[in-house]
Amino acid sequence: KQEVTQIPAALSVPEGENLVLNCSFTDSAIYNLQWFRQDPGKGLTSLLLIQSSQREQTSGRLNASLDKSSGRSTLYIAASQPGDSATYLCAVSRDTGFQKLVFGTGTRLLVSP
Amino acid sequence: SAVISQKPSRDICQRGTSLTIQCQVDSQVTMMFWYRQQPGQSLTLIATANQGSEATYESGFVIDKFPISRPNLTFSTLTVSNMSPEDSSIYLCSVSWTGPYEQYFGPGTRLTVT
Repeated sequence: KQEVTQIPAALSVPEGENLVLNCSFTDSAIYNLQWFRQDPGKGLTSLLLIQSSQREQTSGRLNASLDKSSGRSTLYIAASQPGDSATYLCAVSRDTGFQKLVFGTGTRLLVSP
Repeated sequence: SAVISQKPSRDICQRGTSLTIQCQVDSQVTMMFWYRQQPGQSLTLIATANQGSEATYESGFVIDKFPISRPNLTFSTLTVSNMSPEDSSIYLCSVSWTGPYEQYFGPGTRLTVT
């Protein structure tokens, strides 16, 4: 059974810092990995998707990397802003029945001005 | 991507009643899913909504408790039946297309059962 863990569970940083969020998964037989953000009481916003054959994806100040063999992904946020405050979730899909996502436990990020 | 809406956005219901949640997409999609997020928890997949046939449920979820319909490629409903306080959660629908199967989520329905 796939298990997805995110470290740290919570993170508080001053504005402007670069930061790294970690995601690990127990079964390396994945099809893709997605990073989402969730604002309090709201739905999920897709940030980045990395297919299993890819090593990284970039969107603006966000960069996500994937090391499939070691079961790890990182989300790098450059020059953090208060608007980045949210819960960040990673999710993986299996390489069979690959539409189904298994979610991590989340990292709650607070960026203070 | 697509614009995904859910109705209602929130509701407070009494124990023993049922609530039907609607998910509408502004374009045709291949896959539709329903997830549950219990308070302070991450998301758990309830089922895959299949167009014109019975939904595919994950372990721990049954059709009698969570009947799902998907009459076409843009619309699905999830019913939470015979509710108890343990059903208090956020319910989210998501959609995807063929490869690479990136999923997009609706805004969620916050359900409180008293």
